[in-house]
Amino acid sequence: GAVVSQHPSWVICKSGTSVKIECRSLDFQATTMFWYRQFPKQSLMLMATSNEGSKATYEQGVEKDKFLINHASLTLSTLTVTSAHPEDSSFYICSASLQGYGYTFGSGTRLTVV
Amino acid sequence: QQQVKQSPQSLIVQKGGISIINCAYENTAFDYFPWYQQFPGKGPALLIAIRPDVSEKKEGRFTISFNKSAKQFSLHIMDSQPGDSATYFCAASTGKTSGSRLTFGEGTQLTVNP
Repeated sequence: GAVVSQHPSWVICKSGTSVKIECRSLDFQATTMFWYRQFPKQSLMLMATSNEGSKATYEQGVEKDKFLINHASLTLSTLTVTSAHPEDSSFYICSASLQGYGYTFGSGTRLTVV
Repeated sequence: QQQVKQSPQSLIVQKGGISIINCAYENTAFDYFPWYQQFPGKGPALLIAIRPDVSEKKEGRFTISFNKSAKQFSLHIMDSQPGDSATYFCAASTGKTSGSRLTFGEGTQLTVNP
């Protein structure tokens, strides 16, 4: 089945630094990749949608200069949290989709900003 | 119109019992209805999905019932096991369209007591 690899699974960083999270589709070329944020005991909140070679489309209220998304190839998307602050601490999840074949999620990244 | 309403918020069942989670939607353009299972610290994993041209789909102990006229769908877990204890999310999308987002329900925390 379709597999999406997300790294790292957890990261601790100092306030003011940047963190990059990678999302790779291992056995298929993803048409679209999605990035979500999830707070404890809550549902997934879509942050942005990206297509290979195109600029990401951000949801309302998501700062595009803070959450940089790069989708350089059909198998790799990255989310960079720039100048991270404690309020950015959360669980970040990527998802990849191939038209007509559904959505596959990564295992998530727990970001803690201290 | 993009919302998917999920209930109950939490559910406790005894081992061997039936777990039932319900979802309702408004957008008649939705044509793909997946259910996801999420364990703490992990990304969501697809359990089962249905398209609106069928009223029921069964895979092992998991069954989706779909009522197009009522715009409702539900997940039934037969013979519930303690290992089924997790958070379950229903979702919907216009899945045939490349890049269409998933709209998630609020989630149901299922606890199966031994």
